[in-house]
Amino acid sequence: DGGITQSPKYLFRKEGQNVTLSCEQNLNHDAMYWYRQDPGQGLRLIYYSQIVNDFQKGDIAEGYSVSREKKESFPLTVTSAQKNPTAFYLCASSATGGNQPQHFGDGTRLSIL
Amino acid sequence: DAKTTQPTSMDCAEGRAANLPCNHSTISGNEYVYWYRQIHSQGPQYIIHGLKNNETNEMASLIITEDRKSSTLILPHATLRDTAVYYCIVRLSGGTSYGKLTFGQGTILTVHP
Repeated sequence: DGGITQSPKYLFRKEGQNVTLSCEQNLNHDAMYWYRQDPGQGLRLIYYSQIVNDFQKGDIAEGYSVSREKKESFPLTVTSAQKNPTAFYLCASSATGGNQPQHFGDGTRLSIL
Repeated sequence: DAKTTQPTSMDCAEGRAANLPCNHSTISGNEYVYWYRQIHSQGPQYIIHGLKNNETNEMASLIITEDRKSSTLILPHATLRDTAVYYCIVRLSGGTSYGKLTFGQGTILTVHP
């Protein structure tokens, strides 16, 4: 089945550690996105990539980093510089074209020990 | 992107049609209406989108008023698994838009037996 796979589903981090969240898609989509969702709130865009080897900061990029070496993969690293990393992280992808909808993975829930 | 207004919550009996309204009175001519839903602890699921014509797919129908200032998502035969938060989103198509989705508070739809 085509879709977006995020792993792991739950992740725990000690303070001062970097952690990397995986996002893989087999939809042949050019564009990929990372969002963060906090309890009772909407999604906030962290980073997005419209094509391989290129990515742009979203609204809350500080403390995060990404790479886009392959079309299928868009990993997100939460660095120790992110002061409040506990959240639900969602990856999405879309085909190019102005009105193409984004399709989401099932998310990774990150918690600080 | 235009602001949307949705009721906080709605109830629906199983097997009946669920009609979810959305007001987007400040929508501009090249903004699309998208509907997503999110079940607790899962990623948002794309449902349907449209510009000005009514749209139908295997999940739902989207009715957009002639002046485009409001729309209704219709789930023709609601089931218990349709219980979720439903988000109406208006997004600019093309231009400098990089595809960011802005989720509001949404409508909590509860389908009961």
